[in-house]
Amino acid sequence: AAGVIQSPRHLIKEKRETATLKCYPIPRHDTVYWYQQGPGQDPQFLISFYEKMQSDKGSIPDRFSAQQFSDYHSELNMSSLELGDSALYFCASSTYIDRGDKNIQYFGAGTRLSVL
Amino acid sequence: LAKTTQPISMDSYEGQEVNITCSHNNIATNDYITWYQQFPSQGPRFIIQGYKTKVTNEVASLFIPADRKSSTLSLPRVSLSDTAVYYCLVGDPGPSSYKLIFGSGTRLLVRP
Repeated sequence: AAGVIQSPRHLIKEKRETATLKCYPIPRHDTVYWYQQGPGQDPQFLISFYEKMQSDKGSIPDRFSAQQFSDYHSELNMSSLELGDSALYFCASSTYIDRGDKNIQYFGAGTRLSVL
Repeated sequence: LAKTTQPISMDSYEGQEVNITCSHNNIATNDYITWYQQFPSQGPRFIIQGYKTKVTNEVASLFIPADRKSSTLSLPRVSLSDTAVYYCLVGDPGPSSYKLIFGSGTRLLVRP
């Protein structure tokens, strides 16, 4: 079965550079979520989109922005990168039906961002 | 959102049954209890969800007492590949729920 696809899997950037992470949800999933997981930490919710509209916002820095496109894929844009942004970034997706019943989210393998 | 408390870590041996208990004293009436599993450098994976009593699937069982202030994830006959972090989440899975709040999970180490 198709899963959530994230690209790139690994990304190395310098401080103050920008980065773009991409997420392709499971086909027919209409909601995407972004999470950040620092080294040795638990996943932290950043932002989510339902039908291309922002649906919820967590502890996402102002330097970060995201959007969901007409084909439901999503991109997380990160500017003025800091050393503390080094983390695993996960994207998850779900359907309205899943959310209304169990709120099960399906996670991708993540993008490991290293800021040097 | 109800706060959850789990043991930081647990050790077990292959073939044993593992029970991980999660406390959620402030659980609300509409809240469900959901468990996710996370392997190193991978995204969390849904294991099981329940509201009350007992739920069982091909992977695990979830026991929830009548007062719902705690729950126990039971993994039968664990193997080395069950070594992972297990997260207990409590929340209302309604249509307006757009995020998962992860607390500190339980690191399970399965030894040969």
